[in-house]
This record gives sequence, structure tokens and C-alpha cells, in this order.
Amino acid sequence: GAVVSQHPSRVICKSGTSVKIECRSLDFQATTMFWYRQFPKKSLMLMATSNEGSKATYEQGVEKDKFLINHASLTLSTLTVTSAHPEDSSFYICSAIRDQRSGEQFFGPGTRLTVL
Amino acid sequence: DAKTTQPNSMESNEEEPVHLPCNHSTISGTDYIHWYRQLPSQGPEYVIHGLTSNVNNRMASLAIAEDRKSSTLILHRATLRDAAVYYCILRDRGAGGTSYGKLTFGQGTILTVHP
Repeated sequence: GAVVSQHPSRVICKSGTSVKIECRSLDFQATTMFWYRQFPKKSLMLMATSNEGSKATYEQGVEKDKFLINHASLTLSTLTVTSAHPEDSSFYICSAIRDQRSGEQFFGPGTRLTVL
Repeated sequence: DAKTTQPNSMESNEEEPVHLPCNHSTISGTDYIHWYRQLPSQGPEYVIHGLTSNVNNRMASLAIAEDRKSSTLILHRATLRDAAVYYCILRDRGAGGTSYGKLTFGQGTILTVHP
């Protein structure tokens, strides 16, 4: 089946630093990828829609200057958490659409970010 | 986005069938019904989706009511590995006849499977 990978799987950083998370579609090209955030015992919250070759579309309340998204190729999207703070600690999950007609969407395994 | 309503939790015994209900009374004619599940500390996993007709795959079956205002995910023989949070999500079809709309997750149903 289709596979979406994320790197790193977990990261611990100091407050004020920036962290980049990669999302790759391993066996298909994805013109559209999505970034979600999930807090403990909560559901997934969509942060932004990433389209290859164009600017990301952010959901209401998500700071685009803090969560930089780049979708430079059909198999790679990156999320950079800039000047991270402890409240940014969360589980970040990406997903990619393989089939635009059906909307079949596959999720990555997630990245656990801990900001000290 | 049209909303879905699911029970907060359900329990089942191993090797018994499980019927997970979902209400979506405000579904539009072009909304697909998607089901995903999420195991602890993992990304969601696609289970099944449908539009109007019942659907079967190797993981589960999806029974869609005739008026499409509700659906039921059926796990024919639950295993311990099926213990997860199950999300029922409506996704609208984007422009041009393609299904593109974003997936908006609700709280889902926590399924517990007893040995």
C-alpha cells in the first residue's frame, strides 16, 4: 500500500529554536499534502493544506509565520516550527492524497515534538 | 463542513463482530463517507470509504443508510489489534468532480476489545 513517512519521529529542542519536520510520499506523487497537530487525548486538528509549487493554505488561527510550510516537490513537504515554545509541544502528523478522484488519503506516522 | 456524531466509546469481545455507528444528518449529495482509525501514538490509518452503496474491503464493511444520513462500520471479527479510535468523516467533493475536500476529524469512537 501507499506509504507516507515522516522524519524525525521524535525531536526534543530548546525553547527559541526552530525545528523542521519532513513528510514524504514514498511510492506516489502527491500534489496535495496536509499538516495536522494533535494534543494528548484530543483529536487531530488540521493546520494547513500544502500544494506543490504554491503557497500553503492555513486554517483559521494558525500562524503562517510560525509554522512555515514548503512543498517543493511532488514527494516532499516540510513543516518548520519557528522559535518553538513549550506550548508548541505536540504530535504533528502529515498526510498526502494519492488519488485526487477518490480523495484517498494516507497519513504519516507522526512526529512527537517536545520543546523544553 | 457537514458534521458527524459518534458514540464516545464502545466495547467488544475478541472474535465478535463490531458495529460502529455514525450519524451525519446534514450530509450533502456529494459528500463521501470516510472511516479512519488511529492507534496510540500513530498516524490515522485509512479503513474504508463510500458514497452511496455499501462497500467491503479486507479490513471492514461500510453499510450506508438509504437516505445517507447514517452509516455503520462493521468489523466482522474484532481482534485485539482493532482497538483504536475510529473516526467517521465526511469529505466533500472538490471542483471538477474530484474528491478533494479536507478531512476534518471529530472526537471519534474509542473501541476497546476484550480478550
